[in-house]
Amino acid sequence: DIQMTQSPSTLSASVGDRVTITCRASQSISSWLAWYQQKPGKAPKLLIYKASSLESGVPSRFSGSGSGTEFTLTISSLQPDDFATYYCQQYNSIGTFGQGTKVEIK
Amino acid sequence: QVQLVQSGAEVKKPGASVKVSCKASGYTFTSYYMHWVRQAPGQGLEWMGIINPSGGSTSYAQKFQGRVTMTRDTSTSTVYMELSSLRSEDTAVYYCATNLRETTVTTPFDYWGQGTLVTVSS
Repeated sequence: DIQMTQSPSTLSASVGDRVTITCRASQSISSWLAWYQQKPGKAPKLLIYKASSLESGVPSRFSGSGSGTEFTLTISSLQPDDFATYYCQQYNSIGTFGQGTKVEIK
Repeated sequence: QVQLVQSGAEVKKPGASVKVSCKASGYTFTSYYMHWVRQAPGQGLEWMGIINPSGGSTSYAQKFQGRVTMTRDTSTSTVYMELSSLRSEDTAVYYCATNLRETTVTTPFDYWGQGTLVTVSS
C-alpha cells in the first residue's frame, strides 16, 4: 500500500501569512494527488486535484504543486475561514490519506 | 442538485453489526462509483472500500476484509455499508463519497455525504 506522510502535523499562523503544507508518498504517484479542507463536524471539501488543479469555487489563494513523491499545498494569504485541518490523498491506487495538518491561529 | 444523504447516528454494542445507508440524488446513480471513508474521533480519514452501483461489484481495504459488506439498491439510488463484529475502535463517523467528473475507480472525492456517527459501547 502507498503511505502518505504530511508535515507538519500542526501549524500556527496568523491572518495574512503564507502557509505551506507538505505531503510525501512512499512511492511515485505521478500527479494523482488531491488536497481537502475539513472543518469540525463537517465532511472534507475538495480543494485541489491532480496535484495542481483548483476545484471549481475554491479561492485562488489555494495552490498545489509537485509530482512523483513530493507535493505541497500553499495558501498565499491565510484568511480567517482557512483555519481548519487539511488532508492530502493519493489516488494513483485506491486512495489513501495523509494524517492531516491542523492550521491554527497563532 | 447533487445530494448524498446518510442515515442517522447509531449506538451499538461490541460484537453487533451496523448498516449505514447513503441515498444519492441529482445525478445518474449507476454511472459513478461510491466509496466509504471513516474518521475516528480526533483522527484522520481512512478509506474503507468501493462499490460500483451499476453491477454491484466491490473492493474493500484489506483491514476490513471479512467484516464489511457494501451493497446497493438501484431502485432507490441507495448504497449501504454494513460492518460486523463491531469493537470500540470502530467508533467513528462514516462517510459515503463519490466523484461525478470521473467514471474510474481511482478518483478524488468531490461529493460527500454528511456523515453518520457510529458509537460502539457496552
